[in-house]
Amino acid sequence: QITLKESGPTLVKPTQTLTLTCTFSGFSLSTSGVGVGWIRQPPGKALEWFALIYWDDDKRYSPSLKSRLTITKDTSKNQVVLTMTNMDPVDTATYYCARRLTVVPYYFDYWGQGTLVTVSS
Amino acid sequence: EIVLTQSPATLSLSPGERATLSCRASQNVNSYLAWYQQKPGQAPRLLIYDASNRATGIPARFSGSGSGTDFTLTISSLEPEDFAIYYCQQRSNWWTFGQGTKVEIK
Repeated sequence: QITLKESGPTLVKPTQTLTLTCTFSGFSLSTSGVGVGWIRQPPGKALEWFALIYWDDDKRYSPSLKSRLTITKDTSKNQVVLTMTNMDPVDTATYYCARRLTVVPYYFDYWGQGTLVTVSS
Repeated sequence: EIVLTQSPATLSLSPGERATLSCRASQNVNSYLAWYQQKPGQAPRLLIYDASNRATGIPARFSGSGSGTDFTLTISSLEPEDFAIYYCQQRSNWWTFGQGTKVEIK
């Protein structure tokens, strides 16, 4: 059974750094073709992909957020950690982590439940 | 960045009716398009990948078609559990999502 779960603060202040952890089970991030990505969704709005890391440590970032992001993995702990600097109220959203394979089905096929992060002073 | 435009924004239908949702890409994405379903308070669920392939466990009433810039998700006969928001997503150039189509009960 494949599961993913996001953890981290529910409230951060403007200008602070957000650190989120995705803890997963049922697959390994050391297996060829496996990746874990981050997608966020502001309240009542659409989904936005912004970071992804692959089994070979290849990292991808959304161009619009790249300067603020760092994604890392700890294969032994089955975790992916995301940091986002200089948080702003517009970053208030539910943050999801999800698995992505470079083979069928190619897209985000398993998702965590999401964690709501509010940016407010 | 490839922009995906979904239409209509809201589709009001009754159970048993056919739903047709559209997704248009700002440039050619070949067949690299997926559809997701999202219910309130839940994560998205992958329905269709690469335009026309159903993901594991997805009922046959869901079908996808299209290539290039124009894509369609069809739900042949709406079940009560199908009322939700549907998003398209492309993987041709990075990963971007459409703004969603809400399928609501008429």
